[in-house]
Amino acid sequence: GEDVEQSLFLSVREGDSSVINCTYTDSSSTYLYWYKQEPGAGLQLLTYIFSNMDMKQDQRLTVLLNKKDKHLSLRIADTQTGDSAIYFCAESMSSGNTPLVFGKGTRLSVIA
Amino acid sequence: ETGVTQSPTHLIKTRGQQVTLRCSSQSGHNTVSWYQQALGQGPQFIFQYYREEENGRGNFPPRFSGLQFPNYSSELNVNALELDDSALYLCASSSERDLDEQYFGPGTRLTVT
Repeated sequence: GEDVEQSLFLSVREGDSSVINCTYTDSSSTYLYWYKQEPGAGLQLLTYIFSNMDMKQDQRLTVLLNKKDKHLSLRIADTQTGDSAIYFCAESMSSGNTPLVFGKGTRLSVIA
Repeated sequence: ETGVTQSPTHLIKTRGQQVTLRCSSQSGHNTVSWYQQALGQGPQFIFQYYREEENGRGNFPPRFSGLQFPNYSSELNVNALELDDSALYLCASSSERDLDEQYFGPGTRLTVT
């Protein structure tokens, strides 16, 4: 079955790096996603990685995938107060036409 | 290019009533998925519509139903509302051109009293 686990809270100081971790159980997952949700808002797609990759970098964001351990992480460099939000890890069996399975989200608090 | 929009923003209903939520997909997107996000939880997949046909369903009872229209907009209908149906309802759209990416709307906050 599909299950995605995340730690619930993370607190960092402004300017530091944040690392949000996620584990998943379905080895046939093809796409792994990171979404950001600000209070009272919908989900914003931050980045995603295909399962045959082990790293993807996009400006301040770095995604690392360890397929053997089924572990995904999102690193945010130079974390800003505007990065405070809930971050969701999600997996998908295939492409955008298959359901996303989400974790419960990690609440990131950035202290000025 | 307009993004995914949803209406209404907020809604309060009484147990036993029926509700219809609406979603307009992003321009050029022909697939719409609906998710339910209870407080403090991640979104849960309800169902998906592709070219006006249901294309997959999560673990939700039949009183959750949907429609997709020729312009690819979509409705989520919930009958016989229960208190546990209180949640944020999100729709997401995607296209055949960019199958890797699902874009979410801002959601409709439904409160059942």
